[in-house]
Amino acid sequence: GENVEQHPSTLSVQEGDSAVIKCTYSDSASNYFPWYKQELGKRPQLIIDIRSNVGEKKDQRIAVTLNKTAKHFSLHITETQPEDSAVYFCAAPDSGGYNKLIFGAGTRLAVHP
Amino acid sequence: ETGVTQTPRHLVMGMTNKKSLKCEQHLGHNAMYWYKQSAKKPLELMFVYNFKEQTENNSVPSRFSPECPNSSHLFLHLHTLQPEDSALYLCASSQGPGLAGEQYFGPGTRLTVT
Repeated sequence: GENVEQHPSTLSVQEGDSAVIKCTYSDSASNYFPWYKQELGKRPQLIIDIRSNVGEKKDQRIAVTLNKTAKHFSLHITETQPEDSAVYFCAAPDSGGYNKLIFGAGTRLAVHP
Repeated sequence: ETGVTQTPRHLVMGMTNKKSLKCEQHLGHNAMYWYKQSAKKPLELMFVYNFKEQTENNSVPSRFSPECPNSSHLFLHLHTLQPEDSALYLCASSQGPGLAGEQYFGPGTRLTVT
């Protein structure tokens, strides 16, 4: 089955700086890579996703890059703001199950004003 | 209400109690999920249902018993739980099997087992 590792577990940046979170996966057949944001006391919500037929996807201040050869994908947040403070989870599908997602352990991002 | 709803939002139960968690999705999805979120394993998949049929049981102890009467409703029946079962239980839904896509999460039920 799929194994997803996420680094770092915590990340602290100053407002305006960039933040990068990286995930590696084990199953070369995986073809869908979402990123979820969970603010304190709230539910996880999808912020961006990428499929294996593209190498990069952007949505305003966030972007995701995918390196299929190395089996890793990264979340990039530019011009960070205090409201970006949250826990971020990456995920990849488990080819052994139907629509089963395997989540990384999460990264707690703190953006300091 | 829109999206995915869960009740109750908070639950305290003793180890000998029996209780049920309820999830309802208003998105017309065909897949529903139960996740356990704790400090040890942040998002741990428990069960997957596609078109009311269970397609995944992630080695969950039998003291957790899911039920999916239709594509819009999902229950998690709890009995003789242990203190280590205290966690946030999240329900989610998605369009269905096939091309992987966004999962929509409910607000969760915060469970405390005493």
